Amino acid sequence: GNSVTQMEGPVTLSEEAFLTINCTYTATGYPSLFWYVQYPGEGLQLLLKATKADDKGSNKGFEATYRKETTSFHLEKGSVQVSDSAVYFCALSGGGSNYKLTFGKGTLLTVNP
Amino acid sequence: NAGVTQTPKFQVLKTGQSMTLQCAQDMNHEYMSWYRQDPGMGLRLIHYSVGAGITDQGEVPNGYNVSRSTTEDFPLRLLSAAPSQTSVYFCASTSQGPSAEQYFGPGTRLTVT
Repeated sequence: GNSVTQMEGPVTLSEEAFLTINCTYTATGYPSLFWYVQYPGEGLQLLLKATKADDKGSNKGFEATYRKETTSFHLEKGSVQVSDSAVYFCALSGGGSNYKLTFGKGTLLTVNP
Repeated sequence: NAGVTQTPKFQVLKTGQSMTLQCAQDMNHEYMSWYRQDPGMGLRLIHYSVGAGITDQGEVPNGYNVSRSTTEDFPLRLLSAAPSQTSVYFCASTSQGPSAEQYFGPGTRLTVT
């Protein structure tokens, strides 16, 4: 079956530091890949996505590239801000079933001023 | 356009009690899903629906029932609550297409004592 493994947290960084959160996946076929973000006390919201190999998703300074050869979708940001403090989830949907997301366990990011 | 709404926001139940978590969306999405979020576990799919009158089980369906009589509403029923069902519950909806974004509600925090 499908599975997502992402870097365990928590991750604590200083403002303007570089961020990487690793995500690897196992899936049959050609899944779509997503990063969702959950701010404190809120539901999840889509941060970025990629639908095929070598696609790069980007949003709010975050980027992730769909690497089929390494089955990875690592999240990066060059300079984090305090407002980026949140839980980040890597997820995939496969076989055309976008209503059935498989999530990683989430990574808590705390950015200190 | 309210998106996905969930009620109640918080609920405390005693073991054996029943209740229904409400979920509604106003985006005319065909697909709706229920997830539970537990610490260190990410989000896990409970039940999903691909349209009115059609539901199916996800990864962790035991102890929960769903129905989908309209496109807009997708309630989740706990028939006899157990402490293991203490969790945060999220409802989500999405349109068709393998890379379509899932829209999440704000969540219901349920405690079963």
